[in-house]
Amino acid sequence: DTAVSQTPKYLVTQMGNDKSIKCEQNLGHDTMYWYKQDSKKFLKIMFSYNNKELIINETVPNRFSPKSPDKAHLNLHINSLELGDSAVYFCASSRDRVEQYFGPGTRLTVT
Amino acid sequence: KQEVTQIPAALSVPEGENLVLNCSFTDSAIYNLQWFRQDPGKGLTSLLLIQSSQREQTSGRLNASLDKSSGRSTLYIAASQPGDSATYLCAAPNSGNTPLVFGKGTRLSVIA
Repeated sequence: DTAVSQTPKYLVTQMGNDKSIKCEQNLGHDTMYWYKQDSKKFLKIMFSYNNKELIINETVPNRFSPKSPDKAHLNLHINSLELGDSAVYFCASSRDRVEQYFGPGTRLTVT
Repeated sequence: KQEVTQIPAALSVPEGENLVLNCSFTDSAIYNLQWFRQDPGKGLTSLLLIQSSQREQTSGRLNASLDKSSGRSTLYIAASQPGDSATYLCAAPNSGNTPLVFGKGTRLSVIA
């Protein structure tokens, strides 16, 4: 059973398009996150949601909009994709500030 | 704001050797610290979580230590194997917040 799952695993799209990445966790966690890993492999937090409410929003362009329909899901929608958005996006979840579990990542390539 | 640094950036050792990976963090008001492993093109696998009240945590051949006062953590790998080859990431939360701040990782190669 996959604890944190993401779809799609790979996403290739052209500049200017709008795309979404989905994330689901079946661990019963109350906090979910989106991280971005750039071409230099550096991981950085983008958003954090606790019980469906946004609690952290790092300096991320407003073209990125997280959506949490329920506690088990945190989707990432990206408008007007740019070349610099190419990266690997990781979803994660945790409960009560304990161990974070990561999804397998979505490799986004913008051409 | 938390900053995490890992040294060395890359390490190559012969199989069977014991090794230590280093991690330092600037904000010692952390409630835990987590070590991850990432294989090329793959996601992150959690290796060890050390709570702020603990000084070390062990899992098999891995031992992680935490010294909050000095802002340091180490990951000790005993009797290294080629299968241990991967990038090892250290991560600590910002004070009062749960999102993790990651170091840039140590890329480990264990040569058979």
